[in-house]
Amino acid sequence: DVKVTQSSRYLVKRTGEKVFLECVQDMDHENMFWYRQDPGLGLRLIYFSYDVKMKEKGDIPEGYSVSREKKERFSLILESASTNQTSMYLCASRQRQGWETQYFGPGTRLLVL
Amino acid sequence: DQQVKQNSPSLSVQEGRISILNCDYTNSMFDYFLWYKKYPAEGPTFLISISSIKDKNEDGRFTVFLNKSAKHLSLHIVPSQPGDSAVYFCAASNNAGNMLTFGGGTRLMVKP
Repeated sequence: DVKVTQSSRYLVKRTGEKVFLECVQDMDHENMFWYRQDPGLGLRLIYFSYDVKMKEKGDIPEGYSVSREKKERFSLILESASTNQTSMYLCASRQRQGWETQYFGPGTRLLVL
Repeated sequence: DQQVKQNSPSLSVQEGRISILNCDYTNSMFDYFLWYKKYPAEGPTFLISISSIKDKNEDGRFTVFLNKSAKHLSLHIVPSQPGDSAVYFCAASNNAGNMLTFGGGTRLMVKP
């Protein structure tokens, strides 16, 4: 069974703080993704990574950066958190590129005050 | 502008009846479509998919229909069960599945 875990379920941060969200998958998947979910907007892709040290921008990368130093771990970084980054953040992984299913973590609900 | 739209934010259905969830898309380059289901406090889980070379795909109680000319797909759940109550997202891809574009979701409530 694929397991994708996220470091926190709930997080409260202040405007301007640096925020790290971590995601770990245990199935040796090549691809990993970060999405944010907002009411009415569905899931929007922030960044994804094909492999270690590789990253590609998604639809809404502004204000975010990512790091993938190890295959199983993909980190999302908010350099200077802002209130409009209050959202649910979902990590996903996939075996490889193509039509493979994406497996999601439980999400981190981030509140920026 | 959203390329994938689910125009009904919520749907309420009686147990045993059919649930029909709809999804429209604007990008004619999309060639692969998926439905994900999401329970509260959990991540979305894959439900069913269809490629553009087909117009129907079935998996047990779940059937997805694709109408390419109308750029419309629908998910049918028959019979609906209370455990199907969740938020359903449709998603589409146009580049060998590398990136998915999601709709806004439809909250399905199945009443016992």
